[in-house]
Amino acid sequence: RKEVEQDPGPFNVPEGATVAFNCTYSNSASQSFFWYRQDCRKEPKLLMSVYSSGNEDGRFTAQLNRASQYISLLIRDSKLSDSATYLCVVNRRTDKLIFGTGTRLQVFP
Amino acid sequence: EAGVTQFPSHSVIEKGQTVTLRCDPISGHDNLYWYRRVMGKEIKFLLHFVKESKQDESGMPNNRFLAERTGGTYSTLKVQPAELEDSGVYFCASSQDLGANEKLFFGSGTQLSVL
Repeated sequence: RKEVEQDPGPFNVPEGATVAFNCTYSNSASQSFFWYRQDCRKEPKLLMSVYSSGNEDGRFTAQLNRASQYISLLIRDSKLSDSATYLCVVNRRTDKLIFGTGTRLQVFP
Repeated sequence: EAGVTQFPSHSVIEKGQTVTLRCDPISGHDNLYWYRRVMGKEIKFLLHFVKESKQDESGMPNNRFLAERTGGTYSTLKVQPAELEDSGVYFCASSQDLGANEKLFFGSGTQLSVL
């Protein structure tokens, strides 16, 4: 079983739609949580960190549920430029990041 | 300021050959990481340098892989001899502080194809 599980998608949504991605992690010792974005043939880039209290950055909202070991990302008012793969990432008490396989999002006009 | 740079961007070699990948971290970043994404799988950690010392090499697949960071600046990752299953994208990342996951920067990767 993978340590970080994500639905691979693809999620095909029209511009303006709201889309939500979920992720579960298996190791309860996980300490830090992130969403990364990866465009085709590019490097992963940090989108946002995820906190238990939830955090929002413009159209993006991330939530962490430690009890259920579950992380979510909500994108409101989708733009064409949001098309990418979204990676759920965790780490424990080390500097080693554990990646999910990613969820592919395609926003169409 | 220059980001993390990796060379080459692509490498196509035959099984049994040797390939050396290079990573130049952001200037002043003591922490350097290597990750790899094999086709269809998730990005996986290979190893972590702090300056010239290997802090964690638990992700290195086998002894055909050798990473070095002489002088604590750039790093090389050598695969010798390369096998088909080594094909994938090799990413390097760097950060200034330990645990500074929010300030971790990735290079654009080296696409390695072993034929």
